[in-house]
Amino acid sequence: NAGVTQTPKFRVLKTGQSMTLLCAQDMNHEYMYWYRQDPGMGLRLIHYSVGEGTTAKGEVPDGYNVSRLKKQNFLLGLESAAPSQTSVYFCASGPGTNLPQHFGDGTRLSIL
Amino acid sequence: GQQVMQIPQYQHVQEGEDFTTYCNSSTTLSNIQWYKQRPGGHPVFLIQLVKSGEVKKQKRLTFQFGEAKKNSSLHITATQTTDVGTYFCAALVGGQNFVFGPGTRLSVLP
Repeated sequence: NAGVTQTPKFRVLKTGQSMTLLCAQDMNHEYMYWYRQDPGMGLRLIHYSVGEGTTAKGEVPDGYNVSRLKKQNFLLGLESAAPSQTSVYFCASGPGTNLPQHFGDGTRLSIL
Repeated sequence: GQQVMQIPQYQHVQEGEDFTTYCNSSTTLSNIQWYKQRPGGHPVFLIQLVKSGEVKKQKRLTFQFGEAKKNSSLHITATQTTDVGTYFCAALVGGQNFVFGPGTRLSVLP
């Protein structure tokens, strides 16, 4: 039982490059979330989804886009990476009660 | 700005001592969640509190939701080195966004 799987685990980008972070869950959860974690800031919600085909903005959505074409997958895209987006990104999922219960191991993203 | 605050930011205790972290909000919360994150790891969901004045226990951990539903606490009795990590509270703010507090980092000296 994998739970929530994030790929890749690490990535280094140059300013202006684009990339997509993939999150997959095998628990049939309706809700999925993308957070970023910076030192001393806790976790901040970027975007979330309440079901297949839906997305919504969180606290810090600027510079990111998401898609939820399949229930089990939630993609986070950076169209033009900036150094301010250097962070650890966590994906989470949960049942239909807006409660992130299961987190992936995170993606460490550095933008030079 | 930060809508859910936690104190203290850091806590160093000797193994066997008790530890408490507090979570405070200026607005009434519908519920509150607690998570633990080990160094280098991911957040792990611990518990959800919903009712005013609710108290829940998990072995050496005691969670409490304030009567006014504006604050919560996590108390660990007789800390062990396995308790090391950062403890986060999180709450639904404004009915939409799930906001995490900045966390309390616990160090346990053997």
